[in-house]
Amino acid sequence: KAGVTQTPRYLIKTRGQQVTLSCSPISGHRSVSWYQQTPGQGLQFLFEYFSETQRNKGNFPGRFSGRQFSNSRSEMNVSTLELGDSALYLCASSATGTGNTDTQYFGPGTRLTVL
Amino acid sequence: AQSVSQHNHHVILSEAASLELGCNYSYGGTVNLFWYVQYPGQHLQLLLKYFSGDPLVKGIKGFEAEFIKSKFSFNLRKPSVQWSDTAEYFCAVNSYNQGGKLIFGQGTELSVKP
Repeated sequence: KAGVTQTPRYLIKTRGQQVTLSCSPISGHRSVSWYQQTPGQGLQFLFEYFSETQRNKGNFPGRFSGRQFSNSRSEMNVSTLELGDSALYLCASSATGTGNTDTQYFGPGTRLTVL
Repeated sequence: AQSVSQHNHHVILSEAASLELGCNYSYGGTVNLFWYVQYPGQHLQLLLKYFSGDPLVKGIKGFEAEFIKSKFSFNLRKPSVQWSDTAEYFCAVNSYNQGGKLIFGQGTELSVKP
């Protein structure tokens, strides 16, 4: 089974721009979660989607948004980029994301640099 | 609010030394516990997980962890480390009623000297 894939792997943007990152979950997985990883803050939960609905949301400003398509693929969007948004953005998928017996599998991440 | 604390930021060991990485969490309800590893240049991989049952869980590559509910701890252990264990280790907690949301500790960087 193919793992979680994320595109693009690297992005360079300037302040004020917006960016869209894409994640394709493991085949059959319906839950997709997004995380931001930075040296200072570590791994922080952004949001989770299940069956095209946002099920959980972390403590990030409204500039961070996401969506999930009927094939479970997910995108996240960051508008009006700030220098502090430079990070590795990780996507994880699980079968149902119910938490009681599920395991999340992570993709390689998208490295976003904001200049 | 839920939080996860990893005791050590950076651990340096020689090959064949024993390893124990501490992890404590704050949450009073039912939790699932995980250890993930991130090798240099690679993505996060699951080492082991605890959902219920035997509090001593075994994972890949000789790692194990013990869940001590009374201490809110889930420490990772390995009797004899190898140079290839050099990586960053993350403890994570997921509570029963919060879907797929994982709360991660800050991570422990392990360096194993050959």
